[in-house]
Amino acid sequence: SYELTQPPSVSVSPGQTARITCSGDALPKQYAYWYQQKPGQAPVLVIYKDSERPSGIPERFSGSSSGTTVTLTISGVQAEDEADYYCQSADSSGTPYVVFGGGTKLTVL
Amino acid sequence: EVQLLESGGGLVQPGGSLRLSCAASGFTFSSYAMSWVRQAPGKGLEWVSAISGSGGSTYYADSVKGRFTISRDNSKNTLYLQMNSLRAEDTAVYYCAKSMGIMIVVVTMYFDYWGQGTLVTVSS
Repeated sequence: SYELTQPPSVSVSPGQTARITCSGDALPKQYAYWYQQKPGQAPVLVIYKDSERPSGIPERFSGSSSGTTVTLTISGVQAEDEADYYCQSADSSGTPYVVFGGGTKLTVL
Repeated sequence: EVQLLESGGGLVQPGGSLRLSCAASGFTFSSYAMSWVRQAPGKGLEWVSAISGSGGSTYYADSVKGRFTISRDNSKNTLYLQMNSLRAEDTAVYYCAKSMGIMIVVVTMYFDYWGQGTLVTVSS
């Protein structure tokens, strides 16, 4: 089965830039999406189609893609950004089976 | 305002059944595919199942295929998940989530709204 690989944890100080990666063989062909989930809350979509930002999401959240890796970048990290982040995509077959990465815990030091 | 409200979770014994519901409001329910996504305690997100806006097309994760059935009643703006032959590993918070299009296709299978979830515990 298809897998998306994320680092378990990333730590940054306030005001710094956090980069969270997600790797998968089909990412050159499939869009990636990113969700933020805070403890006890439902996930929130923060990036769609690799680099698009939904309305209401702060500009400090951005996404990029290069080969088999997509990256969520949070510029000028704030304490409120501490959360789990999940990437989502699909395999290269074209079937609409949703796959999530294992998640990355972002800690703001 | 889009709202998704799940209900029906609870404690069930292994081998038992449960039906989850998700009441939707604030959007034209029949115009969007819907999914169930679950999260085991302390674990990551796992997509479970999806249904098209009309209800005519469904998809399931291999882990639940043959045991779970997704359905919807567009007249009641409600999504369902019938869960049979439940196992301990099905223990999770179950979220309903709204997709971006009416059909289940890769480019619209991502989720702009989620419910708050309902906890299913499978234990003897």
